[in-house]
Amino acid sequence: RKEVEQDPGPFNVPEGATVAFNCTYSNSASQSFFWYRQDCRKEPKLLMSVYSSGNEDGRFTAQLNRASQYISLLIRDSKLSDSATYLCVVWDSGAGSYQLTFGKGTKLSVIP
Amino acid sequence: NAGVTQTPKFQVLKTGQSMTLQCAQDMNHNSMYWYRQDPGMGLRLIYYSASEGTTDKGEVPNGYNVSRLNKREFSLRLESAAPSQTSVYFCASSPTRGFIEKLFFGSGTQLSVL
Repeated sequence: RKEVEQDPGPFNVPEGATVAFNCTYSNSASQSFFWYRQDCRKEPKLLMSVYSSGNEDGRFTAQLNRASQYISLLIRDSKLSDSATYLCVVWDSGAGSYQLTFGKGTKLSVIP
Repeated sequence: NAGVTQTPKFQVLKTGQSMTLQCAQDMNHNSMYWYRQDPGMGLRLIYYSASEGTTDKGEVPNGYNVSRLNKREFSLRLESAAPSQTSVYFCASSPTRGFIEKLFFGSGTQLSVL
């Protein structure tokens, strides 16, 4: 089974802190990468796609390192509302091309 | 615009009972999916439908059947529920066939099998 590995946490950080999550994937042929956010007892929602050149959306920055097969998510100036579980998601275009592989998630708690 | 709607939100079954989880999307998406999420596990794909009229097995299809009733609706059936099927079930849809740009999830069904 293709693997996507994440540190489960929890990461407990104070408001205003910068926090980074890493995720490693096993299939070097993986093509697309995403970060989803899941609030407690809610459905996952797409946070951002991860592009080869890296991308930024406000306080969130995603990076891809294909050589080392990991992606990262950096959150700057953490807010209480950032508390959630962050899911690393990988898509492979080969057989079973409709199957995304989800990591187990990293839990973030932002503390006042 | 409701997005992806799942019913029911909660369900308790006894071992051996059957039930159908309903899912509908109003975004004119081609592809639809059923996932389950268990504590300490990532979401795992049960079945998917790349387009109307087609269904395929995912990673964990045993004990489930699906029906793509039309472009909007994709149902998941448990014929004889087992305690191992206690889980949170999510339906999802995506707009494009052959490339998953973004998944839109329903709010989930918490299923307990006693």
